[in-house]
Amino acid sequence: DAGVIQSPRHEVTEMGQEVTLRCKPISGHNSLFWYRQTMMRGLELLIYFNNNVPIDDSGMPEDRFSAKMPNASFSTLKIQPSEPRDSAVYFCASMIGGSYEQYFGPGTRLTVT
Amino acid sequence: SQQGEEDPQALSIQEGENATMNCSYKTSINNLQWYRQNSGRGLVHLILIRSNEREKHSGRLRVTLDTSKKSSSLLITASRAADTASYFCATDPRNTDKLIFGTGTRLQVFP
Repeated sequence: DAGVIQSPRHEVTEMGQEVTLRCKPISGHNSLFWYRQTMMRGLELLIYFNNNVPIDDSGMPEDRFSAKMPNASFSTLKIQPSEPRDSAVYFCASMIGGSYEQYFGPGTRLTVT
Repeated sequence: SQQGEEDPQALSIQEGENATMNCSYKTSINNLQWYRQNSGRGLVHLILIRSNEREKHSGRLRVTLDTSKKSSSLLITASRAADTASYFCATDPRNTDKLIFGTGTRLQVFP
């Protein structure tokens, strides 16, 4: 199995631009999580889905952030417009619901200038 | 806000020594897990301990859980340079699938 796949691995963009991060979970996993990691705030859960349905988006910082999961094999996290304070590493993780063990992707390092 | 707090924040030891990391959390849990993160990589699951368990072993890893104190410890015995990484505890609040991660301990093992 290829594991959780994220793209792009690195993204550099200018303030105000739209950024879209992509995630392909492990086949057969029905829970998907988006995290953000920074030195100041550590690892924060942004949103998670069960069976493609958003369950908890309380960690999404503001309306500039949105996430979708149109099917079981694909999810996106969009930031529009981006700001320098959004610079972080964004991780996607997937899990078989109820198993508790999450499998993380390699992350997308986002830099907003 | 993060539920878990870990100490120490950083730990430096020599190969062969044992490394102990501690984690405290705030609310009732189903399980507590430990994850490892190598620099620039995603987190990797190490071990899970259920709320009704007090101790668990996996290879050179030993985890303890004290639910009355809301705390856990991770012991790595006979450390190796390859154990150099950050280690995070993660708890799952009851009736949810999400994990709340601690602040992490950066472990440096010198050869």
